[in-house]
Amino acid sequence: GPKVLQIPSHQIIDMGQMVTLNCDPVSNHLYFYWYKQILGQQMEFLVNFYNGKVMEKSKLFKDQFSVERPDGSYFTLKIQPTALEDSAVYFCASSIGHSQNTLYFGAGTRLSVL
Amino acid sequence: AQKVTQTQTSISVMEKTTVTMDCVYETRDSSYFLFWYKQTASGEIVFLIRQDSYKKENATEGHYSLNFQKPKSSIGLIITATQIEDSAVYFCAMRDNYAQGLTFGLGTRVSVFP
Repeated sequence: GPKVLQIPSHQIIDMGQMVTLNCDPVSNHLYFYWYKQILGQQMEFLVNFYNGKVMEKSKLFKDQFSVERPDGSYFTLKIQPTALEDSAVYFCASSIGHSQNTLYFGAGTRLSVL
Repeated sequence: AQKVTQTQTSISVMEKTTVTMDCVYETRDSSYFLFWYKQTASGEIVFLIRQDSYKKENATEGHYSLNFQKPKSSIGLIITATQIEDSAVYFCAMRDNYAQGLTFGLGTRVSVFP
């Protein structure tokens, strides 16, 4: 099926530092998403993004989080500053359209905040 | 609010048999979309099959099929002729017009033994 690429697969940083997670969505998709999965728990929605803007965000999407996709390059999630509770696997997803369309996920980036 | 419940935490089956997983959901929307994904040992999340609420016929895709019981708000996944590589965590997910992205269940771990 369609492939979403995420870089890096694992990132280790010190608490308080900034981190950027990169996602290369499926080429003809227009909607982009970030999800967070803490070990052993369900995936939880963070944010979705369309036409250069955040469309929806959950309460998990703290003020320290931001997303962008400058000039059709990577869709990024930036956390600044990071906190210990940000340690999780972050999954990027994309879809052609909105609510009725299937989301395709990347393999995730494991973020470890020390 | 949307909610997806998977009550089975783990299932073990012998290869080449059939496995059935349960999922019930809650939504206030009359139109919604149901999905099953699997998460492999490497962490990759793979889309398997979907059911649109307005379709009465159960969806099928290869050796995956769904048991959609709308009055019971239930969407079970059936895997026939299981293979070792079907061992994974299976997530049920739902999306409606009110939701922020997909709402996931906690997942069911399936182990297929030779």
